[in-house]
Amino acid sequence: NAGVTQTPKFQVLKTGQSMTLQCAQDMNHNSMYWYRQDPGMGLRLIYYSASEGTTDKGEVPNGYNVSRLNKREFSLRLESAAPSQTSVYFCASSERVSVWETQYFGPGTRLLVL
Amino acid sequence: DQQVKQNSPSLSVQEGRISILNCDYTNSMFDYFLWYKKYPAEGPTFLISISSIKDKNEDGRFTVFLNKSAKHLSLHIVPSQPGDSAVYFCAATNRDDKIIFGKGTRLHILP
Repeated sequence: NAGVTQTPKFQVLKTGQSMTLQCAQDMNHNSMYWYRQDPGMGLRLIYYSASEGTTDKGEVPNGYNVSRLNKREFSLRLESAAPSQTSVYFCASSERVSVWETQYFGPGTRLLVL
Repeated sequence: DQQVKQNSPSLSVQEGRISILNCDYTNSMFDYFLWYKKYPAEGPTFLISISSIKDKNEDGRFTVFLNKSAKHLSLHIVPSQPGDSAVYFCAATNRDDKIIFGKGTRLHILP
């Protein structure tokens, strides 16, 4: 039982390049989330998917797109990376949006944009 | 405007003593509060939570206290152990809405 997995673990991009961060969960959770963590800023929600087929903006959605591919997978795409998107990205899932005790996080993806 | 504030970026506590981590919130609509623990190079993990209808919740060495009138909660760890060294995030929600995290407090347990 792997929980929440993220790929890649680390990535370096040049300004303007695009990339997709992958996330998968094996807990049969309905809801999935993408957060970013910056030094001294805590965790900020980028996008979330309350259930398969739905996605909604979080606190900091600009510059990102998401796809809920199926119940297991939720990807985050940077179309044109900027240095301000240098951060650690965490994917998470929970049974549903209101059951926050069941929110499990992946190990994170460290992204450096030069 | 920060809705969840953890004003101490770091805290050092002797092993065996009590660790007290504080958190303040501004949104009176929040009715559920959580603490997460995060080790380096890992994702956060859920630690303990409290509903606004309670003022205390205990789970082993961890106790969370809620003071609604002061919009303040605290996490007590007794006794503190070396494995408690981590970053602790306070979070708040009104259950059916998004969860808002504080900036975190780094706890160092000293031998």
